[in-house]
Amino acid sequence: NAGVTQTPKFRILKIGQSMTLQCAQDMNHNYMYWYRQDPGMGLKLIYYSVGAGITDKGEVPNGYNVSRSTTEDFPLRLELAAPSQTSVYFCASGPSGRREQYFGPGTRLTVT
Amino acid sequence: DQQVKQNSPSLSVQEGRISILNCDYTNSMFDYFLWYKKYPAEGPTFLISISSIKDKNEDGRFTVFLNKSAKHLSLHIVPSQPGDSAVYFCAASEFYGGSQGNLIFGKGTKLSVKP
Repeated sequence: NAGVTQTPKFRILKIGQSMTLQCAQDMNHNYMYWYRQDPGMGLKLIYYSVGAGITDKGEVPNGYNVSRSTTEDFPLRLELAAPSQTSVYFCASGPSGRREQYFGPGTRLTVT
Repeated sequence: DQQVKQNSPSLSVQEGRISILNCDYTNSMFDYFLWYKKYPAEGPTFLISISSIKDKNEDGRFTVFLNKSAKHLSLHIVPSQPGDSAVYFCAASEFYGGSQGNLIFGKGTKLSVKP
């Protein structure tokens, strides 16, 4: 199993541009999550999904959108990128009935 | 307001000795706690967890202790090895409304194990 995969690994965006961060998992997990980690800080939840077609906001959802059309994929969309969105983004997945989450390698995004 | 606090940003330990990483929480409804380990340029890796119905959970060199009355948990690594050098995150979860609860993370403690 590849686990949780994320693309791209790195990206530089100009202010106002848009992009989609891709996340896929092959563990048949129902739950998927997007986090951001700023320097010296813990991970903050952006959006999560409890299954295909169901998404909900986390702690810091502003400026982001998600969709979940399949169990495997959970893309994160940034519209009108701002410098405040410069961060490392982690996708995670978890099985139903368990609290453990399994993380991808992350995407380092810089907005200038 | 931080619900999960790791008050030590860094910890340095000699190889072979015990590493003790601490975590405090404020929400008494948290019922499950986890520790993650993170190497640079990688995603966090699940290490060990504990339910609030227990006060200790052990897995090899790693033991997590939970003191509910003090709202405090700690991760003990014995013996410490240079490969344990990483950032350790404490996370907590509250089960509610049929949801399995999202994770609230602390800011992390950077552990350096010196040969």
